[in-house]
Amino acid sequence: AAGVIQSPRHLIKEKRETATLKCYPIPRHDTVYWYQQGPGQDPQFLISFYEKMQSDKGSIPDRFSAQQFSDYHSELNMSSLELGDSALYFCASSSPAGGQGYTFGSGTRLTVV
Amino acid sequence: AQKVTQAQTEISVVEKEDVTLDCVYETRDTTYYLFWYKQPPSGELVFLIRRNSFDEQNEISGRYSWNFQKSTSSFNFTITASQVVDSAVYFCALSALAGGSYIPTFGRGTSLIVHP
Repeated sequence: AAGVIQSPRHLIKEKRETATLKCYPIPRHDTVYWYQQGPGQDPQFLISFYEKMQSDKGSIPDRFSAQQFSDYHSELNMSSLELGDSALYFCASSSPAGGQGYTFGSGTRLTVV
Repeated sequence: AQKVTQAQTEISVVEKEDVTLDCVYETRDTTYYLFWYKQPPSGELVFLIRRNSFDEQNEISGRYSWNFQKSTSSFNFTITASQVVDSAVYFCALSALAGGSYIPTFGRGTSLIVHP
């Protein structure tokens, strides 16, 4: 079965650079969630989209922005990167009812040097 | 507000031992969903189980079993006859209709180390 696809798997950026992470949800899933997981931490909710509109906002820094496109894929744009942004970034998708289950992608490991 | 507490930071066992990972949750919603995810060293989050608040039946899947008790707001996970491949961080998560939409909240995770 198709899963949530995230790209790239690994990314190394320098401080103050920008990065774009991509997420392709499971077909017919219309809700996308972004999470950030720092080393040794639990995943923290950043932002979510439902039907291409932002639906909820968590602890997403102002330097980050995201959007969901007409094909339901989503991109997380990160600017002025800081060392503390180094983390594993997960995308998850769910069906319209939400509570029926969340499928996570394999994550993008961002390292800021 | 919703909250998930996994009091055990790290558990170390020897292969073939049984181990239980605790999860206690808080929510004001009457409709909610509970999950367990496994995160092996490779980093991906692997879905293990989902349970809704109206279904208190315990579940067994191979060596895995889950005990959901609404009376104590707990959703504990037991691995029977643990194996080295079970070594991973295990996260319990809660999804409730807080603020109008379901957003999964994770516990801090329990790192399980199974020694040969």
